Amino acid sequence: NAGVTQTPKFRVLKTGQSMTLLCAQDMNHEYMYWYRQDPGMGLRLIHYSVGEGTTAKGEVPDGYNVSRLKKQNFLLGLESAAPSQTSVYFCASSYLGSSNDEQYFGPGTRLTVT
Amino acid sequence: KQEVTQIPAALSVPEGENLVLNCSFTDSAIYNLQWFRQDPGKGLTSLLLIQSSQREQTSGRLNASLDKSSGRSTLYIAASQPGDSATYLCAVPSSNTGKLIFGQGTTLQVKP
Repeated sequence: NAGVTQTPKFRVLKTGQSMTLLCAQDMNHEYMYWYRQDPGMGLRLIHYSVGEGTTAKGEVPDGYNVSRLKKQNFLLGLESAAPSQTSVYFCASSYLGSSNDEQYFGPGTRLTVT
Repeated sequence: KQEVTQIPAALSVPEGENLVLNCSFTDSAIYNLQWFRQDPGKGLTSLLLIQSSQREQTSGRLNASLDKSSGRSTLYIAASQPGDSATYLCAVPSSNTGKLIFGQGTTLQVKP
């Protein structure tokens, strides 16, 4: 059981470049989430998914797109990277996403946009 | 709008000391509260989840309590060790979809 994995671990982009962050979970969880963590701002939700084929906006969705084509994968895309998107990105998942569920986090992706 | 606050932002204690980390939230209508640990440059590790109907949860040297009416939770660490040095975060779901609202965290340093 690998839990929640994220690819890549580190990335440096130039302004305007695009990239996709991959999150995978092997726990058969329905709910998946993308957060970003910034100094002084804490963790904030970007987008989330309540099941395969569904996505929804979180607190800070601008500049990002997501897809959940398979239950085990949740992709976060940056179409045109900006320096403001320099951050650490965490993926998380939970079984039901309900009141009784723990969220399990991946190890994070450190992204720098120059 | 739910807000989660953790005080203090940083704490330094000598090894062996018992300590308490604080978490407060503005909307008492929570489903649960989760405590996490984050080591530098690493992801979040879930420590304890307290359901809204519970008053406390224990795991080893960790004990978390929850007082919904006052909007507070505490994480008690007994006999602290240098290996406990990390940032501790608390979080509550903002709705029944499980979206978490995080506090800013308390960075703990336990000195040998």
